[in-house]
Amino acid sequence: NSKVIQTPRYLVKGQGQKAKMRCIPEKGHPVVFWYQQNKNNEFKFLINFQNQEVLQQIDMTEKRFSAECPSNSPCSLEIQSSEAGDSALYLCASSPGQGQAPLFGEGTRLSVL
Amino acid sequence: GDSVTQTEGQVALSEEDFLTIHCNYSASGYPALFWYVQYPGEGPQFLFRASRDKEKGSSRGFEATYDKGTTSFHLRKASVQESDSAVYYCALGESSGSWQLIFGSGTQLTVMP
Repeated sequence: NSKVIQTPRYLVKGQGQKAKMRCIPEKGHPVVFWYQQNKNNEFKFLINFQNQEVLQQIDMTEKRFSAECPSNSPCSLEIQSSEAGDSALYLCASSPGQGQAPLFGEGTRLSVL
Repeated sequence: GDSVTQTEGQVALSEEDFLTIHCNYSASGYPALFWYVQYPGEGPQFLFRASRDKEKGSSRGFEATYDKGTTSFHLRKASVQESDSAVYYCALGESSGSWQLIFGSGTQLTVMP
């Protein structure tokens, strides 16, 4: 029973459309991660936050992807202009701190037609 | 950079067989090491972690021992069940500041009744 809640479970968009997904981390976990898992089950780290501040993000995230983790609101990941290659499972995870096990949500499966 | 290698892409066993999935890592210092399991349509579930040489992690009958000498964290289970069929991922906690997990390529375990 995952305590990291991701919505929606499935998202279908056309190329060029915005795609937005949300995540409610486990209560008391200050660190939030976003990963992309492709059809070959490979994980790609996108961005992470500690208490609403960005810790690290990859170059891809800086261009078309935006993410935020405001206090007292769900975290979100948005793709400004979806491309076919963005089709993947987007996983949110939260952790109590460095070296501690991140707990994952069930993911948002994005299909870009 | 840090990396994780899982040598077995697929493992097929019968119920009550002994399981070994090999995991080797490359990193400086003492990264935390993790095992996750992922069932179809779900996010990865945390199994256990270890963070010191010779430390054993265990959960649900699975276990692994952190071995800095051989840079390994092999997953073992004495007697597998059909319900253990899933994809298993070894991961390490990146230690340079982002705290992200570096995942191995995953091992698909299929257990036949």
